[in-house]
Amino acid sequence: SQQGEEDPQALSIQEGENATMNCSYKTSINNLQWYRQNSGRGLVHLILIRSNEREKHSGRLRVTLDTSKKSSSLLITASRAADTASYFCATDATGNQFYFGTGTSLTVIP
Amino acid sequence: GAVVSQHPSWVICKSGTSVKIECRSLDFQATTMFWYRQFPKQSLMLMATSNEGSKATYEQGVEKDKFLINHASLTLSTLTVTSAHPEDSSFYICSAPKLPPGGTQYFGPGTRLLVL
Repeated sequence: SQQGEEDPQALSIQEGENATMNCSYKTSINNLQWYRQNSGRGLVHLILIRSNEREKHSGRLRVTLDTSKKSSSLLITASRAADTASYFCATDATGNQFYFGTGTSLTVIP
Repeated sequence: GAVVSQHPSWVICKSGTSVKIECRSLDFQATTMFWYRQFPKQSLMLMATSNEGSKATYEQGVEKDKFLINHASLTLSTLTVTSAHPEDSSFYICSAPKLPPGGTQYFGPGTRLLVL
């Protein structure tokens, strides 16, 4: 399976704290993307980082990519209750086919 | 931004019936679309790649005769779950990349299928 793995599987934090989730993958990639999914809903694209990039920011989100270790991390700073959702990384190796990680379920406690 | 729609959003059917799910790119053309399946509390699993004007390519372990894919136009792909059974109950999501390749994928809102 080309599916990546994420850890932790579940994360529970207090509002205002930072949340970090990690993604490991198996093959060389063109880019890696992070998505968010609220329970039972569709996916929301958060951020894309290309294989030649090491770090990227978008608002309260910070993504890092280490292609030598085949891993990425997503940091959400100053978390809010509305950030409660599942977060998935998805790797793009062939130019369009995505393989999703196992996901991290984040709960932010108000 | 680019939008991908799916129809229906919910479907409940009896075991043995066939169900068709549509995926449309609303403001861009997509020569390729992707179909995913997601079981509760699990990740999305790529099922197949839908190619406009040619046969779909299926991921290992996905039965092509069970999940029929038709990419009839540059804005529409359909997934038909044939002779559905309760184990086919799942959340089906399509996506379409906006060219050039390697960019952001746009995901549909998903179709929840319940087979009784």
